[in-house]
Amino acid sequence: DAKTTQPPSMDCAEGRAANLPCNHSTISGNEYVYWYRQIHSQGPQYIIHGLKNNETNEMASLIITEDRKSSTLILPHATLRDTAVYYCIVRVGDTPLVFGKGTRLSVIA
Amino acid sequence: DVKVTQSSRYLVKRTGEKVFLECVQDMDHENMFWYRQDPGLGLRLIYFSYDVKMKEKGDIPEGYSVSREKKERFSLILESASTNQTSMYLCASSLLGRQDEQYFGPGTRLTVT
Repeated sequence: DAKTTQPPSMDCAEGRAANLPCNHSTISGNEYVYWYRQIHSQGPQYIIHGLKNNETNEMASLIITEDRKSSTLILPHATLRDTAVYYCIVRVGDTPLVFGKGTRLSVIA
Repeated sequence: DVKVTQSSRYLVKRTGEKVFLECVQDMDHENMFWYRQDPGLGLRLIYFSYDVKMKEKGDIPEGYSVSREKKERFSLILESASTNQTSMYLCASSLLGRQDEQYFGPGTRLTVT
Protein backbone atom coordinates (compact mmCIF):
# COMPACT_ATOMS: atom_id res chain seq x y z
CA ASP A 1 0.00 0.00 0.00
CA ALA A 2 1.78 3.09 -1.30
CA LYS A 3 -0.18 5.63 0.86
CA THR A 4 0.16 8.28 -1.86
CA THR A 5 -1.88 9.30 -4.87
CA GLN A 6 -0.31 10.76 -7.99
CA PRO A 7 -1.67 11.49 -11.47
CA PRO A 8 -0.60 8.75 -13.88
CA SER A 9 0.88 11.14 -16.43
CA MET A 10 1.72 14.78 -17.14
CA ASP A 11 3.23 16.78 -19.96
CA CYS A 12 5.50 19.80 -19.64
CA ALA A 13 7.07 22.07 -22.24
CA GLU A 14 10.85 22.17 -22.26
CA GLY A 15 12.19 25.13 -20.28
CA ARG A 16 9.02 25.55 -18.25
CA ALA A 17 8.53 24.54 -14.64
CA ALA A 18 7.16 21.06 -14.06
CA ASN A 19 4.88 20.84 -11.03
CA LEU A 20 4.15 17.29 -9.93
CA PRO A 21 1.44 16.88 -7.27
CA CYS A 22 1.12 14.18 -4.65
CA ASN A 23 -1.68 13.52 -2.17
CA HIS A 24 -0.84 11.84 1.13
CA SER A 25 -3.91 12.58 3.23
CA THR A 26 -3.18 9.83 5.78
CA ILE A 27 0.37 10.92 6.51
CA SER A 28 1.31 10.77 10.17
CA GLY A 29 3.32 13.31 12.10
CA ASN A 30 6.66 11.52 11.90
CA GLU A 31 6.48 10.47 8.25
CA TYR A 32 8.69 12.13 5.69
CA VAL A 33 7.84 12.77 2.05
CA TYR A 34 10.37 11.48 -0.49
CA TRP A 35 10.64 11.87 -4.22
CA TYR A 36 12.47 9.52 -6.56
CA ARG A 37 12.50 9.35 -10.32
CA GLN A 38 13.23 6.61 -12.80
CA ILE A 39 14.48 7.38 -16.25
CA HIS A 40 13.78 4.72 -18.86
CA SER A 41 16.08 1.67 -18.58
CA GLN A 42 17.70 2.94 -15.39
CA GLY A 43 17.20 2.31 -11.69
CA PRO A 44 15.37 4.89 -9.56
CA GLN A 45 17.24 8.00 -8.45
CA TYR A 46 16.73 9.90 -5.20
CA ILE A 47 15.64 13.54 -5.72
CA ILE A 48 14.64 15.20 -2.45
CA HIS A 49 12.79 14.70 0.80
CA GLY A 50 11.14 16.78 3.53
CA LEU A 51 9.07 16.66 6.71
CA LYS A 52 7.09 19.89 6.90
CA ASN A 53 9.30 22.71 5.66
CA ASN A 54 9.82 23.42 2.00
CA GLU A 55 13.10 22.06 0.69
CA THR A 56 15.30 22.91 -2.27
CA ASN A 57 18.39 21.30 -3.73
CA GLU A 58 20.21 21.37 -7.05
CA MET A 59 17.64 19.14 -8.68
CA ALA A 60 14.26 20.33 -7.45
CA SER A 61 12.11 22.04 -4.86
CA LEU A 62 9.60 20.36 -2.59
CA ILE A 63 6.57 22.28 -1.36
CA ILE A 64 4.58 20.65 1.45
CA THR A 65 1.19 22.09 2.44
CA GLU A 66 0.74 23.30 5.98
CA ASP A 67 -1.56 20.39 6.85
CA ARG A 68 0.97 18.02 5.19
CA LYS A 69 -1.78 16.23 3.29
CA SER A 70 -0.23 17.01 -0.07
CA SER A 71 3.00 18.16 -1.66
CA THR A 72 4.37 19.34 -4.99
CA LEU A 73 7.70 18.57 -6.59
CA ILE A 74 8.91 21.42 -8.76
CA LEU A 75 11.49 21.07 -11.51
CA PRO A 76 12.12 24.76 -12.24
CA HIS A 77 13.32 24.48 -15.84
CA ALA A 78 12.42 21.09 -17.22
CA THR A 79 14.65 19.56 -19.90
CA LEU A 80 14.13 16.57 -22.15
CA ARG A 81 16.36 14.56 -19.81
CA ASP A 82 13.83 15.06 -17.02
CA THR A 83 11.40 12.78 -18.85
CA ALA A 84 10.88 9.97 -16.33
CA VAL A 85 8.47 8.37 -13.89
CA TYR A 86 8.38 10.33 -10.64
CA TYR A 87 7.54 8.56 -7.40
CA CYS A 88 6.21 10.24 -4.26
CA ILE A 89 6.77 8.13 -1.14
CA VAL A 90 5.95 8.63 2.52
CA ARG A 91 7.86 6.74 5.16
CA VAL A 92 8.97 6.92 8.76
CA GLY A 93 12.30 6.09 10.30
CA ASP A 94 14.38 3.39 8.78
CA THR A 95 11.57 1.48 7.08
CA PRO A 96 11.87 0.30 3.49
CA LEU A 97 10.67 2.52 0.69
CA VAL A 98 7.31 1.60 -0.83
CA PHE A 99 7.04 2.69 -4.46
CA GLY A 100 3.62 3.28 -5.99
CA LYS A 101 2.89 3.71 -9.69
CA GLY A 102 4.21 7.24 -9.89
CA THR A 103 3.63 9.97 -12.48
CA ARG A 104 5.02 9.63 -15.96
CA LEU A 105 6.34 13.09 -16.87
CA SER A 106 6.92 13.78 -20.54
CA VAL A 107 8.94 16.90 -21.32
CA ILE A 108 8.13 18.09 -24.80
CA ALA A 109 10.41 20.17 -27.03
CA ASP B 1 30.22 7.89 -6.79
CA VAL B 2 28.30 4.94 -5.42
CA LYS B 3 28.22 2.11 -7.84
CA VAL B 4 25.74 -0.73 -7.74
CA THR B 5 26.26 -3.38 -10.35
CA GLN B 6 24.14 -6.32 -11.35
CA SER B 7 25.53 -9.40 -13.00
CA SER B 8 23.40 -9.29 -16.14
CA ARG B 9 21.23 -6.74 -17.95
CA TYR B 10 19.24 -9.43 -19.74
CA LEU B 11 18.68 -13.07 -18.80
CA VAL B 12 16.55 -15.81 -20.32
CA LYS B 13 15.85 -18.96 -18.31
CA ARG B 14 13.55 -21.95 -18.60
CA THR B 15 10.73 -22.84 -16.23
CA GLY B 16 12.04 -24.88 -13.33
CA GLU B 17 15.62 -23.66 -13.56
CA LYS B 18 17.43 -22.31 -10.53
CA VAL B 19 18.35 -18.69 -11.15
CA PHE B 20 20.90 -16.52 -9.36
CA LEU B 21 20.83 -12.73 -9.68
CA GLU B 22 23.91 -11.08 -8.27
CA CYS B 23 24.29 -7.54 -6.96
CA VAL B 24 27.49 -5.85 -5.82
CA GLN B 25 27.97 -2.40 -4.31
CA ASP B 26 31.30 -0.69 -3.73
CA MET B 27 30.49 1.87 -1.02
CA ASP B 28 30.48 -0.29 2.10
CA HIS B 29 26.71 0.14 2.52
CA GLU B 30 25.04 -1.91 5.21
CA ASN B 31 21.58 -2.05 3.62
CA MET B 32 20.84 -3.90 0.40
CA PHE B 33 17.51 -4.48 -1.31
CA TRP B 34 15.93 -6.48 -4.10
CA TYR B 35 12.87 -5.17 -5.94
CA ARG B 36 10.95 -6.31 -8.96
CA GLN B 37 9.23 -3.92 -11.33
CA ASP B 38 6.26 -4.80 -13.50
CA PRO B 39 4.14 -2.59 -15.77
CA GLY B 40 1.25 -1.06 -13.87
CA LEU B 41 2.49 -2.34 -10.51
CA GLY B 42 5.50 -0.13 -9.84
CA LEU B 43 8.40 -1.35 -7.73
CA ARG B 44 7.74 -4.05 -5.16
CA LEU B 45 10.17 -5.04 -2.42
CA ILE B 46 11.13 -8.71 -2.39
CA TYR B 47 13.80 -8.94 0.32
CA PHE B 48 16.23 -6.67 2.09
CA SER B 49 19.23 -7.05 4.34
CA TYR B 50 20.66 -4.85 7.08
CA ASP B 51 23.90 -6.73 7.50
CA VAL B 52 25.86 -9.78 6.49
CA LYS B 53 23.87 -12.98 6.96
CA MET B 54 20.77 -10.98 7.88
CA LYS B 55 17.66 -10.84 5.75
CA GLU B 56 14.12 -9.54 6.03
CA LYS B 57 11.10 -10.33 3.89
CA GLY B 58 9.64 -7.55 1.87
CA ASP B 59 6.17 -7.38 0.38
CA ILE B 60 6.45 -10.28 -2.08
CA PRO B 61 9.04 -12.84 -0.89
CA GLU B 62 7.20 -15.93 -2.12
CA GLY B 63 9.20 -17.92 -4.63
CA TYR B 64 12.45 -16.14 -3.79
CA SER B 65 15.31 -16.47 -1.35
CA VAL B 66 18.40 -14.35 -0.75
CA SER B 67 21.98 -14.72 0.39
CA ARG B 68 24.30 -12.15 1.96
CA GLU B 69 27.61 -13.81 2.76
CA LYS B 70 29.68 -10.67 2.21
CA LYS B 71 28.78 -7.07 2.90
CA GLU B 72 29.17 -5.94 -0.68
CA ARG B 73 27.19 -8.75 -2.31
CA PHE B 74 23.48 -9.57 -2.14
CA SER B 75 22.14 -12.44 -4.21
CA LEU B 76 18.55 -13.12 -5.19
CA ILE B 77 17.71 -16.77 -5.84
CA LEU B 78 14.79 -18.21 -7.72
CA GLU B 79 14.81 -21.86 -6.62
CA SER B 80 12.53 -22.97 -9.47
CA ALA B 81 11.81 -20.23 -11.93
CA SER B 82 8.25 -19.77 -13.15
CA THR B 83 6.83 -17.66 -15.97
CA ASN B 84 5.19 -15.27 -13.50
CA GLN B 85 8.68 -14.33 -12.33
CA THR B 86 9.41 -12.75 -15.68
CA SER B 87 10.17 -9.18 -14.64
CA MET B 88 12.72 -6.40 -14.24
CA TYR B 89 14.76 -6.98 -11.07
CA LEU B 90 16.41 -4.01 -9.37
CA CYS B 91 19.01 -4.08 -6.63
CA ALA B 92 19.69 -1.11 -4.34
CA SER B 93 21.92 -0.24 -1.41
CA SER B 94 22.07 2.43 1.29
CA LEU B 95 23.89 3.34 4.43
CA LEU B 96 22.47 2.02 7.71
CA GLY B 97 19.90 4.52 8.92
CA ARG B 98 19.64 6.09 5.47
CA GLN B 99 17.06 3.94 3.72
CA ASP B 100 15.73 7.19 2.34
CA GLU B 101 18.68 7.54 0.00
CA GLN B 102 18.99 4.32 -1.90
CA TYR B 103 21.30 3.83 -4.84
CA PHE B 104 19.97 1.55 -7.52
CA GLY B 105 21.65 -0.70 -10.02
CA PRO B 106 20.73 -0.72 -13.72
CA GLY B 107 18.41 -3.70 -13.39
CA THR B 108 18.23 -7.23 -14.80
CA ARG B 109 15.44 -8.05 -17.20
CA LEU B 110 14.64 -11.71 -16.60
CA THR B 111 12.50 -13.70 -18.99
CA VAL B 112 11.33 -17.16 -17.94
CA THR B 113 10.06 -19.27 -20.82
